[in-house]
Amino acid sequence: DQQVKQNSPSLSVQEGRISILNCDYTNSMFDYFLWYKKYPAEGPTFLISISSIKDKNEDGRFTVFLNKSAKHLSLHIVPSQPGDSAVYFCAAAVYNFNKFYFGSGTKLNVKP
Amino acid sequence: DVKVTQSSRYLVKRTGEKVFLECVQDMDHENMFWYRQDPGLGLRLIYFSYDVKMKEKGDIPEGYSVSREKKERFSLILESASTNQTSMYLCASSQHVGHSPLHFGNGTRLTVT
Repeated sequence: DQQVKQNSPSLSVQEGRISILNCDYTNSMFDYFLWYKKYPAEGPTFLISISSIKDKNEDGRFTVFLNKSAKHLSLHIVPSQPGDSAVYFCAAAVYNFNKFYFGSGTKLNVKP
Repeated sequence: DVKVTQSSRYLVKRTGEKVFLECVQDMDHENMFWYRQDPGLGLRLIYFSYDVKMKEKGDIPEGYSVSREKKERFSLILESASTNQTSMYLCASSQHVGHSPLHFGNGTRLTVT
């Protein structure tokens, strides 16, 4: 049973517009959430994280929002660029349990 | 920058062979992990280790074993490779304390024929 779900396998966005990637989780014990970006034939690279004491974290064009009551997080990319085209994975963990749960990924295509 | 190095990018093995996947990290991280990535299934944890000679099963340990004799090195072993173990294998490491992200290697694409 997947504890972290990404229900959209793919997303297509025009360059310059906003990309919104969504992620839902079921385990209320999760308190640390991350987004990773993965290009083909490469390992995932860490993008941004958020702990459960916050509801928003920004890093440049990337913002992660956390809604604990809905058990939902989202990644906003503004403005989207063609180089952002990749598969995005969300992940969740319980503090100090050293075990990360990943969603199935969303493939983002940013069209020039 | 953390560097996680996996020894092979591509491997082709025959059914029944014993397969070793090697991973080395250079940041003195306590934790090391092996995941496999399959389309539509995301990343699934096979095994992880939080210290030398320590290991814990992940969600899909069947058919695999691991070895951690040195802090920087974590090996994944397929005792008798099967075609359903054809996959992308990803090694990762992280610090032990608090909220610390995983740092991944570039992966090994294993094909079992």
